[in-house]
Amino acid sequence: ETGVTQTPRHLVMGMTNKKSLKCEQHLGHNAMYWYKQSAKKPLELMFVYSLEERVENNSVPSRFSPECPNSSHLFLHLHTLQPEDSALYLCASTPSRGYGYTFGSGTRLTVV
Amino acid sequence: AQRVTQPEKLLSVFKGAPVELKCNYSYSGSPELFWYVQYSRQRLQLLLRHISRESIKGFTADLNKGETSFHLKKPFAQEEDSAMYYCALNTPPTDKLIFGTGTRLQVFP
Repeated sequence: ETGVTQTPRHLVMGMTNKKSLKCEQHLGHNAMYWYKQSAKKPLELMFVYSLEERVENNSVPSRFSPECPNSSHLFLHLHTLQPEDSALYLCASTPSRGYGYTFGSGTRLTVV
Repeated sequence: AQRVTQPEKLLSVFKGAPVELKCNYSYSGSPELFWYVQYSRQRLQLLLRHISRESIKGFTADLNKGETSFHLKKPFAQEEDSAMYYCALNTPPTDKLIFGTGTRLQVFP
């Protein structure tokens, strides 16, 4: 798979579990993003990383913890989630402003 | 506050009919507007951006700053255009897209 790769594709976790979502891109892009897509709601920006530095935390609860170890990888660490956190989590990257994003296929998360 | 509004959740047309998917934005500065498309079982992908003034798959969109609109148009719809379409706003100097709620386009044969 080329472009932006997200794993796993599907994840079911209990409210006491700890899990991580992974995003990988080898496009040479400088910025990476986490978005949340819930039913009947617009895509919500969660975190922005530019050159491995977090530049945006969009009032996301602390049970979501991002990590960007290098310019090609982005993680979203999850712990003690709530059922309302069930959603599609999308990763995206861009080379620079104005070029638009390349999206991954997303991770469908279900919290039980 | 910056906002993107797509007033239509669903737009249904017959093949060959013209299509216009509406998008209005709220932003006082110079915006950057995009249209993204998501076909069934595929990932969200960029369709076009206003700064390139291009036509992709027969679709065009013109930024109208007076009306704060960026409507997506196609003169003759095709069945393969059926998809979910999202309008998105970027507000310089930041680089974070704000999305509308999307419009589902259904093109019937």
